[in-house]
Amino acid sequence: AQSVTQPDIHITVSEGASLELRCNYSYGATPYLFWYVQSPGQGLQLLLKYFSGDTLVQGIKGFEAEFKRSQSSFNLRKPSVHWSDAAEYFCAVGGVAGGYNKLIFGAGTRLAVHP
Amino acid sequence: NAGVTQTPKFRVLKTGQSMTLLCAQDMNHEYMYWYRQDPGMGLRLIHYSVGEGTTAKGEVPDGYNVSRLKKQNFLLGLESAAPSQTSVYFCASVKGETSNQPQHFGDGTRLSIL
Repeated sequence: AQSVTQPDIHITVSEGASLELRCNYSYGATPYLFWYVQSPGQGLQLLLKYFSGDTLVQGIKGFEAEFKRSQSSFNLRKPSVHWSDAAEYFCAVGGVAGGYNKLIFGAGTRLAVHP
Repeated sequence: NAGVTQTPKFRVLKTGQSMTLLCAQDMNHEYMYWYRQDPGMGLRLIHYSVGEGTTAKGEVPDGYNVSRLKKQNFLLGLESAAPSQTSVYFCASVKGETSNQPQHFGDGTRLSIL
């Protein structure tokens, strides 16, 4: 079955520290992978996406993610976290299933940033 | 550039009442989706549409109905609201079938059923 696992429900980091949010997926075909961010009271904003090619992808707001096929992972990273990065982060895997563009979301990781 | 617009943003209902949530997109997207977001469960697909006049069930369709009479609008209806339907509802749209296109999301509708 297709699924996405985000093992960490909550993460707290200090401002300026590095960040890594974990994402593991189970998908029968070549995955298309996404990271979305949701600020409080807002909708989901796309941070970055992976379709093919270079396994290290750059996104907005200084985020990057690395696709590791052997580990079925797509972890999100940022070298130095800012207070404004406090939000909930969702990993998603996409594919065409049953004739429609389908996204499967992880449960999310809520990030808190200490000053 | 409006993108995906959801109305209303907030609503409180009593058990048994009905209501309709409206989603409108101005990007000429073919595919539209309704999700619900509950704590610790991410987003779950309720219904979706692959074009004007078509709808289909997603992962959690029970208690909801949808309609797509116009390409730009996707309506989600609750015929008889239940407390279990208290949630945040998100609408999304995407250009077409190609799965490498990211979905665009609205800002959500926060619905409480008392």
